[in-house]
Amino acid sequence: QKEVEQDPGPLSVPEGAIVSLNCTYSNSAFQYFMWYRQYSRKGPELLMYTYSSGNKEDGRFTAQVDKSSKYISLFIRDSQPSDSATYLCALENSGGSNYKLTFGKGTLLTVNP
Amino acid sequence: KAGVTQTPRYLIKTRGQQVTLSCSPISGHRSVSWYQQTPGQGLQFLFEYFSETQRNKGNFPGRFSGRQFSNSRSEMNVSTLELGDSALYLCASSLRLAGVYTQYFGPGTRLTVL
Repeated sequence: QKEVEQDPGPLSVPEGAIVSLNCTYSNSAFQYFMWYRQYSRKGPELLMYTYSSGNKEDGRFTAQVDKSSKYISLFIRDSQPSDSATYLCALENSGGSNYKLTFGKGTLLTVNP
Repeated sequence: KAGVTQTPRYLIKTRGQQVTLSCSPISGHRSVSWYQQTPGQGLQFLFEYFSETQRNKGNFPGRFSGRQFSNSRSEMNVSTLELGDSALYLCASSLRLAGVYTQYFGPGTRLTVL
């Protein structure tokens, strides 16, 4: 079983739709959870950073973490064509000598006008 | 405020050579981390430097090394290049202040090993 699994898509939605992006993980040592957006030929951009179970909201974006199920989600409300990008989840443990930071393979999202 | 800059943007090397990549972080950011991105393996963490010390390290062979200078600029070195080292190398600078974490990536250096 891979440490982090993320559906690569592609995912295509109409403008205005609610988008749900997900990652599952197997290592319970992961304590910090991030979502990145990466446009083609650009570096990633940190969207959300959270370290607890529950929801965190920032504008149209909501990150959800369920540690008991080892499942994290990113919701995008009122999606826009400018949201078309690859979205990557990233998981980090609490550090120390066994530090681990692992990325999902990314989900390619297209929002159609 | 200037963003994260990486030089060079593109590089072509041959197997067995070594390469040094440079990263200048955002002013005031003391943490610099490096990543390798390939189509097959995706984005992978290489290492992180903070105040000239390596703070965290990913699972890469010793051919990959780095350092950070007193002005927070960082360099990454890959020795004895292999074809599989062809990738986009990204650096990011970050700041953790009052419980808020901010991180910015540079545009990357595209390395091709022939």
